[in-house]
Amino acid sequence: KQEVTQIPAALSVPEGENLVLNCSFTDSAIYNLQWFRQDPGKGLTSLLLIQSSQREQTSGRLNASLDKSSGRSTLYIAASQPGDSATYLCAVSPGTSYGKLTFGQGTILTVHP
Amino acid sequence: DVKVTQSSRYLVKRTGEKVFLECVQDMDHENMFWYRQDPGLGLRLIYFSYDVKMKEKGDIPEGYSVSREKKERFSLILESASTNQTSMYLCASRTGPFYEQYFGPGTRLTVT
Repeated sequence: KQEVTQIPAALSVPEGENLVLNCSFTDSAIYNLQWFRQDPGKGLTSLLLIQSSQREQTSGRLNASLDKSSGRSTLYIAASQPGDSATYLCAVSPGTSYGKLTFGQGTILTVHP
Repeated sequence: DVKVTQSSRYLVKRTGEKVFLECVQDMDHENMFWYRQDPGLGLRLIYFSYDVKMKEKGDIPEGYSVSREKKERFSLILESASTNQTSMYLCASRTGPFYEQYFGPGTRLTVT
């Protein structure tokens, strides 16, 4: 059974810092990995989708990498801002069935001015 | 832009009531999902539908049923609401298993 772990569970940084969020998964037979952001009391917003054949994806100040063989992904946020404060979740989609996502528990990020 | 909408942001119901949560997507997506999210338990899949009138149980289907009569609409039904169904309910949709999944804004349901 696939398990997804996110480390750290919470992170607090000053504005302007570059930071890395980690996601690991136990079964490398994935089709893709998706990073989401969730603000308190809201739904999830898709940030990046990485297919298993890709190594990384970039969107603005965000860069996500994927090392499928080692079961790891990282989300790099450059020049963090207070508006980046949110919970960040990663989710993997299997290479079989109807691709139900398995989610990590999330990393709560606080960027203080 | 993909849009997934849910019928209510906040809902308060009494124990034993039948509750309908509606979800509509405007991007002709094949797959639709219902999750609940609780502190410490994360996101848990209740039901999903990979096509119109097709449905599959997720990880926690007990106490719930679903309906998908039209491609754009996926309804979650609580047949007889109970207090342990108080939760945040999230709907999602996507084109297929190889594509991004998009979420609605969520419905915070309180059962008293």
